[in-house]
Amino acid sequence: DAGITQSPRHKVTETGTPVTLRCHQTENHRYMYWYRQDPGHGLRLIHYSYGVKDTDKGEVSDGYSVSRSKTEDFLLTLESATSSQTSVYFCAIRAEPGQLLSGANVLTFGAGSRLTVL
Amino acid sequence: GNSVTQMEGPVTLSEEAFLTINCTYTATGYPSLFWYVQYPGEGLQLLLKATKADDKGSNKGFEATYRKETTSFHLEKGSVQVSDSAVYFCALGGYQKVTFGTGTKLQVIP
Repeated sequence: DAGITQSPRHKVTETGTPVTLRCHQTENHRYMYWYRQDPGHGLRLIHYSYGVKDTDKGEVSDGYSVSRSKTEDFLLTLESATSSQTSVYFCAIRAEPGQLLSGANVLTFGAGSRLTVL
Repeated sequence: GNSVTQMEGPVTLSEEAFLTINCTYTATGYPSLFWYVQYPGEGLQLLLKATKADDKGSNKGFEATYRKETTSFHLEKGSVQVSDSAVYFCALGGYQKVTFGTGTKLQVIP
């Protein structure tokens, strides 16, 4: 396995509560990503990180924040969960986008975290 | 910005049938192109990739050719098996972000 784990794998919470999802990697990859997967929308990028303390927004970042204080950990926080954030969340890692021939620009995914907001 | 459009599913085929899943893209620069596969209850895994125009990616009998003139990266397999039943995602890799299509569900029946 590629050495990427997500926790928790399943969570049920109530509207208005804070939620934090954790992505942990053992590959020392520079880039880390959070996507959400919803029927009819495929995968949509929430936030990504290109180094410790370096993060940027994706296409659906409203209502989400992220932090990366160590290379191996990338946290996704929903400050006040809403029912529209019920989804499956995937973390992915990528070594180096510019290295096209070595395979280092390929995304490797975690197993996903299923979040239900009641 | 970058975008990926792939054919709507679901696609239902009989075993040993020929598969094509269409994918077209819009991009600036020279992106890499990928096909990912997601089996039920699992995360996505790389199926194949191509890094420049006219490259052909191949794996497990699947193939796709990076066509810059038609901005396409169609996925093909000559003879599908029941074990190929999954959701297939076309993706475009820019320098920092990777953009995905909406996915195409394939069901192969015996």
